[in-house]
Amino acid sequence: DIQMTQSPSSLSTSVGDRVTITCRASQSISTYLNWYQQKPGKAPQLLIYAASSLQSGVPSRFSGSGSGTDFTLTISSLQPEDFASYYCQQTYSTPWTFGQGTKVEIK
Amino acid sequence: EVQLVQSGAEVKKPGESLKISCKGSGYNFINFWIGWVRQMPGKGLEWMGIISPADSDTRYNPSFQGLVTISADKSINTAYLQWNSLKASDTAMYYCARPTMGDSSGYRWYFDLWGRGTLITVSS
Repeated sequence: DIQMTQSPSSLSTSVGDRVTITCRASQSISTYLNWYQQKPGKAPQLLIYAASSLQSGVPSRFSGSGSGTDFTLTISSLQPEDFASYYCQQTYSTPWTFGQGTKVEIK
Repeated sequence: EVQLVQSGAEVKKPGESLKISCKGSGYNFINFWIGWVRQMPGKGLEWMGIISPADSDTRYNPSFQGLVTISADKSINTAYLQWNSLKASDTAMYYCARPTMGDSSGYRWYFDLWGRGTLITVSS
């Protein structure tokens, strides 16, 4: 199985800050990498697919980059509604695997 | 509206059987696979497997193979996740989700539509 490792596991930050979350794959996955946001008590929602494509309806402050083994999710200016958990997912090979998640909390 | 509607929460005892459902609407159900994702309390997301409703072709995560059964009934646009004998460790939220891919993604899969989840509690 391909292991996905996110860092940090959690971070405390403020509204307006720039936030960067990284995801590393245990082997090259090209750009078969997606990012999801999950708020407490809610289902995950797709933010970014194929490493850098913004899902329709997602604010442009979210962006993704990377290829191979190293990927980044960036929130350019954190908004109150962005406090949530974020997960990366690889779909290069089955079993599709998720990172352990990054919880973004209010400082 | 394009949506996946999941069956309601369940409370079961160890050893009991259970089948939960996920009904798709607002799109051509047989043209898309359906997947299941587990989230144990306070934990992350785990991909369990996917099924093609068109022909019931199923792919399991080896970690869940033999522990659950994924099925679908295309005549009623519904996918299922089934246990024959529940354990306390099956206590979790279970999401169905629709994997999609196309030329906009370079034919890379992603889950673009999710159900609200079905909470399963297994306790004696």
